[in-house]
Amino acid sequence: SQQGEEDPQALSIQEGENATMNCSYKTSINNLQWYRQNSGRGLVHLILIRSNEREKHSGRLRVTLDTSKKSSSLLITASRAADTASYFCATEVTGFQKLVFGTGTRLLVSP
Amino acid sequence: GAGVSQSPSNKVTEKGKDVELRCDPISGHTALYWYRQSLGQGLEFLIYFQGNSAPDKSGLPSDRFSAERTGGSVSTLTIQRTQQEDSAVYLCASSLGGSRGNTIYFGEGSWLTVV
Repeated sequence: SQQGEEDPQALSIQEGENATMNCSYKTSINNLQWYRQNSGRGLVHLILIRSNEREKHSGRLRVTLDTSKKSSSLLITASRAADTASYFCATEVTGFQKLVFGTGTRLLVSP
Repeated sequence: GAGVSQSPSNKVTEKGKDVELRCDPISGHTALYWYRQSLGQGLEFLIYFQGNSAPDKSGLPSDRFSAERTGGSVSTLTIQRTQQEDSAVYLCASSLGGSRGNTIYFGEGSWLTVV
């Protein structure tokens, strides 16, 4: 079964606006990762945040993690049309090596 | 190789036939994963290899699905007696394995259509 649920399922914004996606999960984790997928094919790793971290930045990306609420958010600032893709959160569940993926958010950035 | 390589990229097969999907991970990566993604859905974990052994096969949906890895490198996912519900993109990924928090690198996937 899916570990993560993402919200919203779809998001449509204009270029230059910020996009925020949320992820909730169910069990204890070692880390949480965000991935991007274009056109339903391969996924690209964006950022990893460990369970003892609360916030992490990478370029225009900002990720937060609240382990007490079992939730994470991904913020993309100053979005571009090229950011159009599906975004997935994935959790490395404590005691397991595999990543368990959420259901994804489809982001559409219009010029 | 430079990245995770999967073949075939697209496969159309008739219901009831067997198919083999191949994954060539990044050189030196000991961990290898298979996921399945149906149209518009999230990723469903199938199986994980550490070296040649598969400590976690919990995601294989039925006994028609099997996977092996030889030489700690190439892996093959086999689906026997394919059904229409097997139609999906099958994604392979690899990582350095061992310690926690390694980045997982995905291939472009094999799109399987069962007609």
